[in-house]
Amino acid sequence: QQQVKQSPQSLIVQKGGISIINCAYENTAFDYFPWYQQFPGKGPALLIAIRPDVSEKKEGRFTISFNKSAKQFSLHIMDSQPGDSATYFCAANKGFTGNQFYFGTGTSLTVIP
Amino acid sequence: ETGVTQSPTHLIKTRGQQVTLRCSSQSGHNTVSWYQQALGQGPQFIFQYYREEENGRGNFPPRFSGLQFPNYSSELNVNALELDDSALYLCASSSLSTGDEQYFGPGTRLTVT
Repeated sequence: QQQVKQSPQSLIVQKGGISIINCAYENTAFDYFPWYQQFPGKGPALLIAIRPDVSEKKEGRFTISFNKSAKQFSLHIMDSQPGDSATYFCAANKGFTGNQFYFGTGTSLTVIP
Repeated sequence: ETGVTQSPTHLIKTRGQQVTLRCSSQSGHNTVSWYQQALGQGPQFIFQYYREEENGRGNFPPRFSGLQFPNYSSELNVNALELDDSALYLCASSSLSTGDEQYFGPGTRLTVT
């Protein structure tokens, strides 16, 4: 049973465009939602994270939008660059009371110059 | 500050053999989590160690076991290797000071033939 569902599986965006990746979850006990970026042959690197008490968090070109009632959250990459080409994973965790992160299946992003 | 390191980088084993993977947590982190990442999939939680004790386990059989040492480094042991154990094994460290943030190592690529 996939606790966190992620879409799309792959995404191709022109340089300068906006990349949008979506995730949905079922467990309302989740209260921490990070996004990870992974390059081939490397471990995932924390990109940005959000808690359910806010609807949006922005860090540079990366923004998380969070919809608690719909149990959905998304990553927006503004002004996408070829260097952003990587696999992106959403995840969810129960915070301090939880020790297990549940990951989505990943989105392979390709930014075309 | 030293990041999370893992060894070896790559490993090839035969079905039925046993393997030990090692992880050194980031300086100051007392919690280590292990994940299995199959090709094209998101990481799957194996277990977590906190202060040398197992602190949660995912849906993995007992032939997956671990240890954490007083310096917070950790080992993942897998007995009776199966072909499906071929994957990237990731270690992530964290601590109360990092809150819910986990920092991943580069992983060990295990191939079982």
